[in-house]
Amino acid sequence: QQQVKQSPQSLIVQKGGISIINCAYENTAFDYFPWYQQFPGKGPALLIAIRPDVSEKKEGRFTISFNKSAKQFSLHIMDSQPGDSATYFCAASTGGGNKLTFGTGTQLKVEL
Amino acid sequence: NAGVTQTPKFQVLKTGQSMTLQCAQDMNHNSMYWYRQDPGMGLRLIYYSASEGTTDKGEVPNGYNVSRLNKREFSLRLESAAPSQTSVYFCASSGGWAGRNTEAFFGQGTRLTVV
Repeated sequence: QQQVKQSPQSLIVQKGGISIINCAYENTAFDYFPWYQQFPGKGPALLIAIRPDVSEKKEGRFTISFNKSAKQFSLHIMDSQPGDSATYFCAASTGGGNKLTFGTGTQLKVEL
Repeated sequence: NAGVTQTPKFQVLKTGQSMTLQCAQDMNHNSMYWYRQDPGMGLRLIYYSASEGTTDKGEVPNGYNVSRLNKREFSLRLESAAPSQTSVYFCASSGGWAGRNTEAFFGQGTRLTVV
């Protein structure tokens, strides 16, 4: 039973375009929703995170949109760059701590 | 700052062999974790340690054991390796546990192949 569903599995975006990755969760006890970025051969690294008391969080070109009633959250990458080409994972955890439940990942490729 | 260091980076085992994956963090974090990453399945939690002296099972603990040797080190042991344990293993650490979400830092991973 997958508690965090992520889509799409892969995504190709032109340089300067907007990349959008979506996640949906089932467990209403989740209270922390981070996004991780992973480059080939490296471990995941925290990109941006949100808590359910806000509907949006922006850090530079990266924005999380959060819809508590729909149990969905998404990552928007504005002005996508070739350097953004990586695998992105959404995740969720409950009650403090970081016992994270991950989505299945989205492989993003930004083309020139 | 080294962060989270995993050894080895690559390993090939024969079915039935045993091995221990080592992990150490230098950030004075309380909590440590072992995940496995498989294509199309994301990262799944194997075991975690909320604090020194405690360990608990995660989502996929079968076939694994762990030891929280001290605050810095958290090892993962495969007693009798199986081809289904072929995966990339990541160790992670985070500063807090009870009542706080804090950033989890990941190591570079160990790519394990069981033949």
